Amino acid sequence: EIVLTQSPGTLSLSPGERATLSCRASQSISSSYLAWYQQKPGQAPRLLIFGASSRATGIPDRFTGSGSGTDFTLTISRLEPEDFAVYYCQQYASSYTFGPGTKVDIK
Amino acid sequence: QVQLVQSGAEVKKPGASVKVSCKASGYTFTSFYMHWVRQAPGQGLEWMGIINPSGGSTSYAQKFQGRVTMTRDTSTSTVYMELSSLRSEDTAVYYCARSEIAAARNWFDPWGQGTLVTVSS
Repeated sequence: EIVLTQSPGTLSLSPGERATLSCRASQSISSSYLAWYQQKPGQAPRLLIFGASSRATGIPDRFTGSGSGTDFTLTISRLEPEDFAVYYCQQYASSYTFGPGTKVDIK
Repeated sequence: QVQLVQSGAEVKKPGASVKVSCKASGYTFTSFYMHWVRQAPGQGLEWMGIINPSGGSTSYAQKFQGRVTMTRDTSTSTVYMELSSLRSEDTAVYYCARSEIAAARNWFDPWGQGTLVTVSS
């Protein structure tokens, strides 16, 4: 099973700041089969990024995914108030597993 | 628009079973996989299994083998997830989520609104 580790666990930032979230896999993820999701309290997860770097429909360009192999990054260039949420990475190369999440909260 | 609408909250006693439904609309039901993912209170996301609505084939996470059954009804575009021998640790929100069939496109989008299952004596 591919285990995903996300860091940091919590990121405390102010609106307008840049957020950098990391997702590391226990083995190489073929063809960058990695997605990122955003989840707000009481809501279902929402797809942000697929294929490691492609934005889903309607996702603002302040969200950028990058990386390959075992190391992936989600960058939010300038945090908007609605971006404070929990972010999960997921691999779909070998079955399906999620990382434990990174909470981005307001400093 | 593509929509997944799940059944309402359930309260069950330990040892009982629960069956959650997920009704799909806005697309060809048999052309996409459906997954079930659960989230315990304050915890992360846990993949439970997948069903191909076209033929009904399934694959379950090892943790749930023997306790989970996923089925579908093509006449109503609905998938079901039944979990048996419930214990308190099964208290969670259960989500259905769609993915494309091509391996390169297996991300989950969209998701249902979630169904809270509470297991309590």
